Amino acid sequence: GESVGLHLPTLSVQEGDNSIINCAYSNSASDYFIWYKQESGKGPQFIIDIRSNMDKRQGQRVTVLLNKTVKHLSLQIAATQPGDSAVYFCAESGTSYGKLTFGQGTILTVHP
Amino acid sequence: GAVVSQHPSWVICKSGTSVKIECRSLDFQATTMFWYRQFPKQSLMLMATSNEGSKATYEQGVEKDKFLINHASLTLSTLTVTSAHPEDSSFYICSAGAGTSGVQETQYFGPGTRLLVL
Repeated sequence: GESVGLHLPTLSVQEGDNSIINCAYSNSASDYFIWYKQESGKGPQFIIDIRSNMDKRQGQRVTVLLNKTVKHLSLQIAATQPGDSAVYFCAESGTSYGKLTFGQGTILTVHP
Repeated sequence: GAVVSQHPSWVICKSGTSVKIECRSLDFQATTMFWYRQFPKQSLMLMATSNEGSKATYEQGVEKDKFLINHASLTLSTLTVTSAHPEDSSFYICSAGAGTSGVQETQYFGPGTRLLVL
């Protein structure tokens, strides 16, 4: 089936910097996108979501941008902290109710 | 927020035995639960979709007779790995939807169950 993929498997930043994690998706029918954070040995934690009728959504320190023209999704984390170090996954949902397809993940490492 | 628990958090078993993993939604009712498997340094792969009161829907390549799923109530789904073998060793994660049936809903994930088959 179609998949969601990430181009950069690792990202290292300094504490206080802004981080941008990218995701490309291939299913043009996808209309719901979610970013999850997964710490080692734990389940994914919901960060933020966006529907296809929007191109930007902001949360606390995080912003998700959606570009449907090029099928690209990004997660911006402001003032990155060491506690943000984790693997970040994008996921998409299309016409199948509730069914998510996960991208490969990006390892974010924040150096103090 | 919505909380999902899993039990056990980790299990070691001998090859050939069966292992049951429970997934519970603690503060909400979930008509749909999902089971994923995650190998080290890889992404989550959906195994099956579990609907309360009906048979689970398995993804292509997932053996339904090996991975038995039961969704007996709106707060509990179980995954039984039958006749486990070392290649079944993995991190099993469940999720539960917390929205209205027919509407895309946010999935909340459990903490995962680490299975090691010797």
